[in-house]
Amino acid sequence: AQSVAQPEDQVNVAEGNPLTVKCTYSVSGNPYLFWYVQYPNRGLQFLLKYITGDNLVKGSYGFEAEFNKSQTSFHLKKPSALVSDSALYFCAVRDLADSNYQLIWGAGTKLIIKP
Amino acid sequence: NAGVTQTPKFRILKIGQSMTLQCTQDMNHNYMYWYRQDPGMGLKLIYYSVGAGITDKGEVPNGYNVSRSTTEDFPLRLELAAPSQTSVYFCASRGPIRYNEQFFGPGTRLTVL
Repeated sequence: AQSVAQPEDQVNVAEGNPLTVKCTYSVSGNPYLFWYVQYPNRGLQFLLKYITGDNLVKGSYGFEAEFNKSQTSFHLKKPSALVSDSALYFCAVRDLADSNYQLIWGAGTKLIIKP
Repeated sequence: NAGVTQTPKFRILKIGQSMTLQCTQDMNHNYMYWYRQDPGMGLKLIYYSVGAGITDKGEVPNGYNVSRSTTEDFPLRLELAAPSQTSVYFCASRGPIRYNEQFFGPGTRLTVL
C-alpha cells in the first residue's frame, strides 16, 4: 500500500544550526516527491519537488531535499535554520503506478527553531 | 492573480445544518481538490475534479458533495453537519502535468456544535 511516514512529530533546532526533517515513503512505482510548508493559520505552500534526475533538489527559502531510492527517503534539509522557518512541514508522494495520480500525505512535522 | 481563494474563513454550524464552502481559482487549472485537516493530522482528500463537469470521490467523501460547473469554481457542500466534520478545509488546484505542484487556498475553519 502507498504510504508516507514522517517519523518525528516535532523537531527542535537552534537558530543557525542545520536542520533535517525526515520523510520516508512506500509506493509500488516510481515516485514524485513533494515538500510543503504550512505557517500558522495559513494554507500549504509548495517548497520543492523531486521528479527525476539529480537526487539533490533545491527549493524555496534555502531548503533542499535529498532523494534516496535505496532507503526510500526524501529528507528536507537546510544548512542554517532561521526562527522564521518555524512551521509545519508536510511530505507528499505521487505514485506513478497509480492511475489516479493522487498525492499521499504524511502527517506533518512541526519544526521549532529557537533563538 | 489571486491564486486559490476560499470563503468563508470561519464558520460555526449547528448539528444538522448545511452549508457550502466556496473555492475559486484564477489559474485556469483543470485539477481541483478538497482536503480536510484534523488537528495533528495530515491532509485527507474528500473530493477531486479533473475538469469542469467531472468529479470523483477521494478518501473521505461521506457527508459531502461537490459540483464543478466551471473551470474556476469547485464548491463543497456539507449536508446535515455533524461534529465529526469539525475541521479545517483546504481547496487546492494544479496544472495539467502529473508532477505539477498543488496551490492551496487559505482554508476554512469549520466548527460543528
